[in-house]
Formats: sequence, structure tokens, C-alpha cells
Amino acid sequence: GQQLNQSPQSMFIQEGEDVSMNCTSSSIFNTWLWYKQDPGEGPVLLIALYKAGELTSNGRLTAQFGITRKDSFLNISASIPSDVGIYFCAGQGGTYKYIFGTGTRLKVLA
Amino acid sequence: DTGVSQDPRHKITKRGQNVTFRCDPISEHNRLYWYRQTLGQGPEFLTYFQNEAQLEKSRLLSDRFSAERPKGSFSTLEIQRTEQGDSAMYLCASSPTGGAEPQHFGDGTRLSIL
Repeated sequence: GQQLNQSPQSMFIQEGEDVSMNCTSSSIFNTWLWYKQDPGEGPVLLIALYKAGELTSNGRLTAQFGITRKDSFLNISASIPSDVGIYFCAGQGGTYKYIFGTGTRLKVLA
Repeated sequence: DTGVSQDPRHKITKRGQNVTFRCDPISEHNRLYWYRQTLGQGPEFLTYFQNEAQLEKSRLLSDRFSAERPKGSFSTLEIQRTEQGDSAMYLCASSPTGGAEPQHFGDGTRLSIL
């Protein structure tokens, strides 16, 4: 099935560092979502974006809806050990289904 | 709001057997989605319902797969004559009707085919 391209695929960072990841699509989307998934659990919604250029924060997380509507970005500031997990983007175009990204695996070194 | 509930959490079965999973969405969420997630990949869309109507099915949903939502509340996903390639996490999500409301996921059913 179709999946969006997420970058980087994985990353190791030191506790306290800022993290940036992005998601790109060949199609235009109307909505972008960012989820975090821990092992053995379902994805948990972090941030929802609805307008091109929109910048939305949720605590230490900030996400942006790219102005081309083909990309989105997620930043995590001052990372902590519990930020470990897999981060997925998801985009929605003309139908109600979402297309998910391939995931960014984050590992935080204390 | 008790969240999306899926049952069972784990299912181990022999190849060729039929299996059925259940999803109870968040109360009053009209839309219900099924996804499949294999190791190292993001969730892949299978199908979605608005109330009891199945409005879209992915090409991933072969004729061995069938999903129902008979009363517009809980949903079942059945896989007949299971194959090794069916081993995956099956995730259910729900959302309210209205624009692009985000989906909320259950913790999934992990299927292992022996």
C-alpha cells in the first residue's frame, strides 16, 4: 500500500537535545496528523494540522503544515527519555482515509 | 470516553483457520477504520465505515477478508483461510463525523500465523 516518506528513518539523540523530523508526499493533503507509537500499543495522536502554513504546539512538540501542502514537520524540544518511540505522520486528501508515513524511530540517550 | 477497544489483543492460529477480531469505537464516533501494520511499517488502510455503511475498501482487502458494522456501533474483521502473510497487527480507529476529525486508535490485535 501507499506510504508517505518520513525522514530520518531513525535517530539517536542525547537527552535535552531538540529533534526535527519531516514527512513528504507526492500528493496534496488537506489534513496532517502526527502520532507516537510505543511497542505493543496503538498510535496516540499528538498534533492535528488543518491549514497550509499552520504551526501548532502541544507542550514540547511543535508541528507545521507545509505551505506546498505536500509536507509536514515535527519538532521536539528538550527531549526526555520517555520521548522514545516511533513517530508517524498521516495525511488526508480528498477522501476520509489517511495515508501513513514509514515512521521515524527515536531513541534518547540519557 | 473509554477509548477504542479491540479484542482479542493477541491471536495465534494455524494457517488455514478463520479468525475474527472485534473493535468497539469511542461512543458516538460515526466513522470506524481498520488498518494493518506489519513490523517496521506504518499502518496501512484497509477499510472504513460511516455508521453501518462500508464506504471504502483498499485493494489490500482480498476476498478472504470481510468487515462488518451491522448496527453502526462495534465492527468485526474476519479473515478466512489465514496465510502466513496475514501475520500483522490489526488496528482499529474511530472518529466523529464532521470535516477532517482526527482518528483515535485502539491498541490493536496482533495476529500470528503458525
